[in-house]
Amino acid sequence: GQNIDQPTEMTATEGAIVQINCTYQTSGFNGLFWYQQHAGEAPTFLSYNVLDGLEEKGRFSSFLSRSKGYSYLLLKELQMKDSASYLCAPMDSNYQLIWGAGTKLIIKP
Amino acid sequence: GAVVSQHPSWVICKSGTSVKIECRSLDFQATTMFWYRQFPKQSLMLMATSNEGSKATYEQGVEKDKFLINHASLTLSTLTVTSAHPEDSSFYICSARIREYEQYFGPGTRLTVT
Repeated sequence: GQNIDQPTEMTATEGAIVQINCTYQTSGFNGLFWYQQHAGEAPTFLSYNVLDGLEEKGRFSSFLSRSKGYSYLLLKELQMKDSASYLCAPMDSNYQLIWGAGTKLIIKP
Repeated sequence: GAVVSQHPSWVICKSGTSVKIECRSLDFQATTMFWYRQFPKQSLMLMATSNEGSKATYEQGVEKDKFLINHASLTLSTLTVTSAHPEDSSFYICSARIREYEQYFGPGTRLTVT
């Protein structure tokens, strides 16, 4: 079957760094997406990894290990506006995104 | 970047009535659009995949006669919730795909059925 595993909730302090881990199992693999979703809003694209390694984009970085079925999203210099849910979504062999429940990130001052 | 709009952004309707939600790609043509539903604190659930000019492909457990999808053009797909009931109250989100690795989400439509 297809499965996504992320922590349900994480708490971090403003200005700090947080790493959100994701393990996945899919039927085939065509890359992995990370989305940010604020409460009551639609997801917005953060990153896409298809090859192993780290992709850096400003304060956000995403890492992928295909052999381990593992990815993480690293958020640096946390700001209050980063409080949101973060969704790890691998793409299967049919180019369908597989969604988990996401990780709710709470930022405290 | 590519923009996808949804209309309305929120709607309240009475039980038994039908509601139509529009999804438009504003500055690109989308051969494929997706319709999702999301209940509070739950993951996005794919309801159906809509291809322009052909019938939508519904996910298992989604009633195609209740959730009517029409993809009339490369920039417009509509979802009609027929005979809505309170349990249909949810956040409905569409997305439009340019290519396999590139899709954009609409802002979502919050439906409340009273």
